[in-house]
Amino acid sequence: EAQVTQNPRYLITVTGKKLTVTCSQNMNHEYMSWYRQDPGLGLRQIYYSMNVEVTDKGDVPEGYKVSRKEKRNFPLILESPSPNQTSLYFCASTLRGGGGLAYNEQFFGPGTRLTVL
Amino acid sequence: GQQLNQSPQSMFIQEGEDVSMNCTSSSIFNTWLWYKQDPGEGPVLLIALYKAGELTSNGRLTAQFGITRKDSFLNISASIPSDVGIYFCAGQFYQAGANSKLTFGKGITLSVRP
Repeated sequence: EAQVTQNPRYLITVTGKKLTVTCSQNMNHEYMSWYRQDPGLGLRQIYYSMNVEVTDKGDVPEGYKVSRKEKRNFPLILESPSPNQTSLYFCASTLRGGGGLAYNEQFFGPGTRLTVL
Repeated sequence: GQQLNQSPQSMFIQEGEDVSMNCTSSSIFNTWLWYKQDPGEGPVLLIALYKAGELTSNGRLTAQFGITRKDSFLNISASIPSDVGIYFCAGQFYQAGANSKLTFGKGITLSVRP
């Protein structure tokens, strides 16, 4: 089954304790992205990756890092989490970013609910 | 970053009624999308629109890409209880070699009374 998976689905942590949220897709997609969802704000892009070893900042990158060493995986790293990073996080992927004439549907993972105390 | 305007934040309708939602932007997009999010799930694409003026249907859902490229609407006809969820509009300015970022509206929470 084609899907985007995220782990963990729920995480409660404390300020300053490094954590990683994993994201994996099995559709051989080139483009992957992380969004955060906050009440009243919709979804905002954190980081994106056009392909392996190609990453760039989205709209709200502060406090986050990413890496793209393999095509299927795109982990989100919080080196020193703070309470304002408490949010619902979504990973998304699409076949390719920016190329071609038609929109390539972005598939979203199920989300990771993070609470930073 | 820019955001799309969706209002109201919540809508309450009776089962069987039709409902319309619209989305506006100060910037133009060349793709408009409508997503639905169920509790505990990620957004799922309902309808994608690629051309100004385009009107597209998907079952009971109909969406249109505004001719100014700055707005879109979604209509749900004959609502049923499983239509409950959060509806997001999203715009994309799609360019070769560029970020495929989606700009999302804040979402409308739809409740359907049996």
